[in-house]
Amino acid sequence: DARVTQTPRHKVTEMGQEVTMRCQPILGHNTVFWYRQTMMQGLELLAYFRNRAPLDDSGMPKDRFSAEMPDATLATLKIQPSEPRDSAVYFCATRGTDTQYFGPGTRLTVL
Amino acid sequence: AQKITQTQPGMFVQEKEAVTLDCTYDTSDQSYGLFWYKQPSSGEMIFLIYQGSYDEQNATEGRYSLNFQKARKSANLVISASQLGDSAMYFCAIHSNAGGTSYGKLTFGQGTILTVHP
Repeated sequence: DARVTQTPRHKVTEMGQEVTMRCQPILGHNTVFWYRQTMMQGLELLAYFRNRAPLDDSGMPKDRFSAEMPDATLATLKIQPSEPRDSAVYFCATRGTDTQYFGPGTRLTVL
Repeated sequence: AQKITQTQPGMFVQEKEAVTLDCTYDTSDQSYGLFWYKQPSSGEMIFLIYQGSYDEQNATEGRYSLNFQKARKSANLVISASQLGDSAMYFCAIHSNAGGTSYGKLTFGQGTILTVHP
């Protein structure tokens, strides 16, 4: 049963620290998405890649967020420096034929 | 730009009864896809059902069916024979199938919390 995996599942950090979240896509899925979920904003797209190339990162605060896909088995989302307003659940999703499959998410708390 | 509207913040249903969760959408694309996801209290996002804009028949997956009315731009989720485990947040979402940089990215509604009573 192929699944999207994300690490860490939970992260508590202090303001100003760097945070790196990792995603392992389903093998063969060449489109990877990063979403953020908050109570206020709901689910919003941060960035996405196809065949490892960034297609759209207009949803990300450029000054502190960066997303990369160094190889087909790993996508990363980095926040540096982190701020309390970044506290949210960050989901990675990968696209199959017609469907996006979500990872379990990383719950980030920035104190 | 695409938009999803879910007008029901919360819904209640009795166990074993059917329930309909509303979803309307707005898009300028001719080719698009509509999705429903379930998010239980554990927080995971579970794919339920997909409907392509050119699919002539309504999609069904077990107890889930999607009532697709293209002219009205609605894509309501029908859950038959509700179970206690169906209590969760439900999200409707849309993506473009038109290609280009909009291809595949999902736009979500605000969600509907469904509570199933025993």
